[in-house]
Amino acid sequence: NAGVTQTPKFRVLKTGQSMTLLCAQDMNHEYMYWYRQDPGMGLRLIHYSVGEGTTAKGEVPDGYNVSRLKKQNFLLGLESAAPSQTSVYFCASSYGTSGNTIYFGEGSWLTVV
Amino acid sequence: EDKVVQSPLSLVVHEGDTVTLNCSYEVTNFRSLLWYKQEKKAPTFLFMLTSSGIEKKSGRLSSILDKKELFSILNITATQTGDSAVYLCASLEGTGGGNKLTFGTGTQLKVEL
Repeated sequence: NAGVTQTPKFRVLKTGQSMTLLCAQDMNHEYMYWYRQDPGMGLRLIHYSVGEGTTAKGEVPDGYNVSRLKKQNFLLGLESAAPSQTSVYFCASSYGTSGNTIYFGEGSWLTVV
Repeated sequence: EDKVVQSPLSLVVHEGDTVTLNCSYEVTNFRSLLWYKQEKKAPTFLFMLTSSGIEKKSGRLSSILDKKELFSILNITATQTGDSAVYLCASLEGTGGGNKLTFGTGTQLKVEL
């Protein structure tokens, strides 16, 4: 029972490099989210998706792009990484809009040097 | 702008003490208030509160929502060292295309022997 799986778990990037974080869920959830968590800031929503082929901006979308080509996958891309993007990234998914619980992945620790 | 504010930011107590964590919210299209416990990795779900005045309880933890005053509290009785964690509250909002969570910054709880 995998739930929400994020890869990679840890990554160090140089400024200006690009990378993609992959989130996969096996619960047939419609909604998927990417959050970042920084010390003293709580979790902040980067982008989210309400279904296959759709994406929307969250609270802090700048510097990130996302894609939801398949229902089970939600990709977060950094085209040109900056030190300000050093953070812990959490993916989450949920079934619907009625307030169902949201399931989180284990997190991806990204450091940009 | 939607916001969720938690207090206190941090708290140190001794085993056996009772603690109360606070969460106030100002959001549009409010649906529910959720509480999570975060240790080292992903937040784990504790409670979802949708109706005002109805206490939810799980062991030594309980929570209640006041939709008139726009706040929630999380109580932990007879605290144990295993309760040490960051406790996050989040408002679940219904957007035009789905639902999303807005998190508070969290309360760091440390329970000492």
